[in-house]
Amino acid sequence: DVKVTQSSRYLVKRTGEKVFLECVQDMDHENMFWYRQDPGLGLRLIYFSYDVKMKEKGDIPEGYSVSREKKERFSLILESASTNQTSMYLCASSSPWGYTFGSGTRLTVV
Amino acid sequence: GEDVEQSLFLSVREGDSSVINCTYTDSSSTYLYWYKQEPGAGLQLLTYIFSNMDMKQDQRLTVLLNKKDKHLSLRIADTQTGDSAIYFCALGGPTDSWGKLQFGAGTQVVVTP
Repeated sequence: DVKVTQSSRYLVKRTGEKVFLECVQDMDHENMFWYRQDPGLGLRLIYFSYDVKMKEKGDIPEGYSVSREKKERFSLILESASTNQTSMYLCASSSPWGYTFGSGTRLTVV
Repeated sequence: GEDVEQSLFLSVREGDSSVINCTYTDSSSTYLYWYKQEPGAGLQLLTYIFSNMDMKQDQRLTVLLNKKDKHLSLRIADTQTGDSAIYFCALGGPTDSWGKLQFGAGTQVVVTP
């Protein structure tokens, strides 16, 4: 089975901190995605990557950046965390048959 | 996504059938998916249907696609308490869309004994 692993299930960070969320997939998928999930808003795409060192902005990229130095790893970076970035963050990789999601990282910024 | 709409909540009694509905605006979607999210977990792919199909059945799950009305539904037969979750429909575009999906806001399904 394809596995997408997010390094942390829960994180608590302080306002202004730089935060790294890590995601690793083991099926050699080219496309990887970062979403945030908020109640009533569903999933909103932050950034995605279709190849190593390639990235594209999604619908809500402000306040975030990403890094993809290796095919299997896609990192989401909050340059200066703010309380409105408190959310569930979901990483996914894709094949034509759909996405495989990680278990999510619930980030709280205090 | 604002272009994919779902009702937010559905309550169903154990043993009954559940029907979760999804409407969309983008008719270029080639794959249409249903995902399930249990509390505290990521999304799990339940099933998908190609846009050239009208129906797909997989054990207790039946997916219906009405392309004319841009309506997708998921029917769960003999609903169990383990089916309590949030269900998302998602639409995948043509192959040049980088595999991006448009998600609905999700339908919270609560199964009561």
